[in-house]
Amino acid sequence: DAKTTQPPSMDCAEGRAANLPCNHSTISGNEYVYWYRQIHSQGPQYIIHGLKNNETNEMASLIITEDRKSSTLILPHATLRDTAVYYCIVRALSSGGGADGLTFGKGTHLIIQP
Amino acid sequence: DAGITQSPRYKITETGRQVTLMCHQTWSHSYMFWYRQDLGHGLRLIYYSAAADITDKGEVPDGYVVSRSKTENFPLTLESATRSQTSVYFCASSEAGDGPNGETQYFGPGTRLLVL
Repeated sequence: DAKTTQPPSMDCAEGRAANLPCNHSTISGNEYVYWYRQIHSQGPQYIIHGLKNNETNEMASLIITEDRKSSTLILPHATLRDTAVYYCIVRALSSGGGADGLTFGKGTHLIIQP
Repeated sequence: DAGITQSPRYKITETGRQVTLMCHQTWSHSYMFWYRQDLGHGLRLIYYSAAADITDKGEVPDGYVVSRSKTENFPLTLESATRSQTSVYFCASSEAGDGPNGETQYFGPGTRLLVL
């Protein structure tokens, strides 16, 4: 899995868009970008994933640069409940249709300010 | 829709005792995983299972035993608990199969284990 770099912490005002960057300059062509988050005292929660196109779901949007060396997770209208550690994970699909364990880095601690 | 549940949520035990942590999922996902989370180490994979009766070691399997007689259950047993096994344990599942959706993992709420 490619190495990722994220800022250790970020602040965002409630109601504003939170933009969380992730650098993955060594990403391979078959590797996907996944985002998870972990709210304090809870299990990690899947947010979104993408390969090269921008993606959007009910939780967030994922913007991947054209060279795929970096991406940004966007929470469009952040609330206090979005305060969490956000993890950017880059990985290829497991061989044979299986599933490998996830490798979580240190992530970004996003703090939503009231 | 219960999803994935873990029990107990909190457990205090003593060194040398056997402890079993339970994990149950209602999605009929093929794959299940056990992770531990410690300060300074992030999440580390202990064991995983591709299907009933198929299990394999992860990064830190020593001191742990798993079984999977039914698709929906994946218990983790500490045969003789040690203080170093004090941690937060998370169970996860994924449906597997082709494509990235199949590899998305869904996590339980965790079990906080304290070994005295």
